[in-house]
Amino acid sequence: ELKVEQNPLFLSMQEGKNYTIYCNYSTTSDRLYWYRQDPGKSLESLFVLLSNGAVKQEGRLMASLDTKARLSTLHITAAVHDLSATYFCAVSGTTSGTYKYIFGTGTRLKVLA
Amino acid sequence: NAGVTQTPKFQVLKTGQSMTLQCAQDMNHNSMYWYRQDPGMGLRLIYYSASEGTTDKGEVPNGYNVSRLNKREFSLRLESAAPSQTSVYFCASKILAGGSNEQFFGPGTRLTVL
Repeated sequence: ELKVEQNPLFLSMQEGKNYTIYCNYSTTSDRLYWYRQDPGKSLESLFVLLSNGAVKQEGRLMASLDTKARLSTLHITAAVHDLSATYFCAVSGTTSGTYKYIFGTGTRLKVLA
Repeated sequence: NAGVTQTPKFQVLKTGQSMTLQCAQDMNHNSMYWYRQDPGMGLRLIYYSASEGTTDKGEVPNGYNVSRLNKREFSLRLESAAPSQTSVYFCASKILAGGSNEQFFGPGTRLTVL
């Protein structure tokens, strides 16, 4: 069964600090996604990671994928207040013969000035 | 290009009432999805339609029905609403095959069942 676990669930950090959000998944997946959600808003796609060793960066966010460890990380460099949001990882793959998307429970990030 | 649109944005129902949530996309995507999001949780897949004319159950289909009306539209129906169906509902769409497989999400419908 395809499962996704994120940690931490909550993260409060000072501006200017670095931190990493972790996403573990249970079985083979063909793609891993990172999304951002602001309060009361929809999900915005940040990254799609397709293969082992994939690394993508956008501004202060960098995502990486290790398919052997079934682990993705979202690294935040020199955090700023505007990065405050909830971040979700998701994986897609076939489970019980059906193609599915499974989301993690999210990491609520608060960046303090 | 509006992307994925959903109506209504907000809805309050009484237990036992029925309603249909509408979703449309103008990106010529093949696949469409309905998710629910409960407080403190990620999204859970209710139903999806891999292509026009097909629908399949997701993780939490009980109490819901769907219709893929055409390539653009995918509706979600609650036949007899229950308080447990209070949630935020998101519709999403994507190209069927190839590329990043990225889903594009609508703005959501906030449903309260009293």
